[in-house]
Amino acid sequence: AQSVTQLGSHVSVSEGALVLLRCNYSSSVPPYLFWYVQYPNQGLQLLLKYTSAATLVKGINGFEAEFKKSETSFHLTKPSAHMSDAAEYFCAVNLNTGGFKTIFGAGTRLFVKA
Amino acid sequence: SQTIHQWPATLVQPVGSPLSLECTVEGTSNPNLYWYRQAAGRGLQLLFYSVGIGQISSEVPQNLSASRPQDRQFILSSKKLLLSDSGFYLCAWSVEGLNNSPLHFGNGTRLTVT
Repeated sequence: AQSVTQLGSHVSVSEGALVLLRCNYSSSVPPYLFWYVQYPNQGLQLLLKYTSAATLVKGINGFEAEFKKSETSFHLTKPSAHMSDAAEYFCAVNLNTGGFKTIFGAGTRLFVKA
Repeated sequence: SQTIHQWPATLVQPVGSPLSLECTVEGTSNPNLYWYRQAAGRGLQLLFYSVGIGQISSEVPQNLSASRPQDRQFILSSKKLLLSDSGFYLCAWSVEGLNNSPLHFGNGTRLTVT
């Protein structure tokens, strides 16, 4: 069965520091992977998606993620954290089940310290 | 461009009262539609999804039901709310028939059952 695991429910970084949010997937077929961001009391917003065109995917707000098949990983990074990046981040994989359901990781809450 | 509307934004209801949350999508046809719930400290739980008018798939047995009376309208209902129904409810849509389509979320409804 396909699933995603996000390592670390909370990550804290200083402003200007590297952001690294980890995601590992399990899939028997090439996956469609996504990162979403959720700000307080809002819905989720797509950050980026992997669709096999390129292993390094660039998204909005300076985020990027690298698909590594050998490690079954899709970690999210940003070179320099801003205070506005404080939010919850979800890794997700699409299932091809007719309705194309999406399975989400448990989420990682990012804290940015001044 | 496509937009998704979800209302109300917040709702406080007594135990045993009925519920109706509505979601509409504009700017696209034949979308896949979804209802998710986020409970405090828990991830996203898929409640229902729909691939067409009148076609509803339920992911978890519970006190809720969903209906799709029109192509771009998705309704979440309950006849009698339970305390455990409290949470943040999110409606979403994706492109029909597309494996790599991300989910597009509404801004959510925060439901508190008292």
